[in-house]
Amino acid sequence: KAGVTQTPRYLIKTRGQQVTLSCSPISGHRSVSWYQQTPGQGLQFLFEYFSETQRNKGNFPGRFSGRQFSNSRSEMNVSTLELGDSALYLCASSVEGPHYGYTFGSGTRLTVV
Amino acid sequence: AQSVTQPDIHITVSEGASLELRCNYSYGATPYLFWYVQSPGQGLQLLLKYFSGDTLVQGIKGFEAEFKRSQSSFNLRKPSVHWSDAAEYFCAVGDSNYQLIWGAGTKLIIKP
Repeated sequence: KAGVTQTPRYLIKTRGQQVTLSCSPISGHRSVSWYQQTPGQGLQFLFEYFSETQRNKGNFPGRFSGRQFSNSRSEMNVSTLELGDSALYLCASSVEGPHYGYTFGSGTRLTVV
Repeated sequence: AQSVTQPDIHITVSEGASLELRCNYSYGATPYLFWYVQSPGQGLQLLLKYFSGDTLVQGIKGFEAEFKRSQSSFNLRKPSVHWSDAAEYFCAVGDSNYQLIWGAGTKLIIKP
């Protein structure tokens, strides 16, 4: 059974650019969540998508956006990158939602220079 | 406000010794409770979860956790740690809005 796949694994971008990260959930999982992890702030919730609809959103600026496709694959986009956006971005999928338990991907390490 | 506290930022344990990682939560209703583990540079892995029923929950890799409602705690235990258990451990509580509230994590260091 394939796990949660995140691409790319590593990314280096310049301040002001935009970036798109991709997540393929486990087959049959309809819920996909995104987290930002940094040493200083820990795990911070970005948003959750369920059946192509954003069900929950964290406290991030509008530069952070996401979407989910009909096959449950999800993308998140960050526009106008700032140095502070450097982080490990984690995608997690679940059958129906986080209360069922997440399966996490290995993450995308984004470095903004 | 709902919150999760992991009082220990770091814990150092000798290989073969027992382990207990603490987790306290603040939540009004019956909580959904989770423990996850993260190895360096990797995503998180679910160790165990509690929804209802038996308050002692068995998980993967020989871990167990006990839900104590009176103490608002969900401590993680392992009778004998292995060097491969060195990682960061996160406790989380599920709220009524399908969101998880995360603790700050406890980094486990294993002494040979």
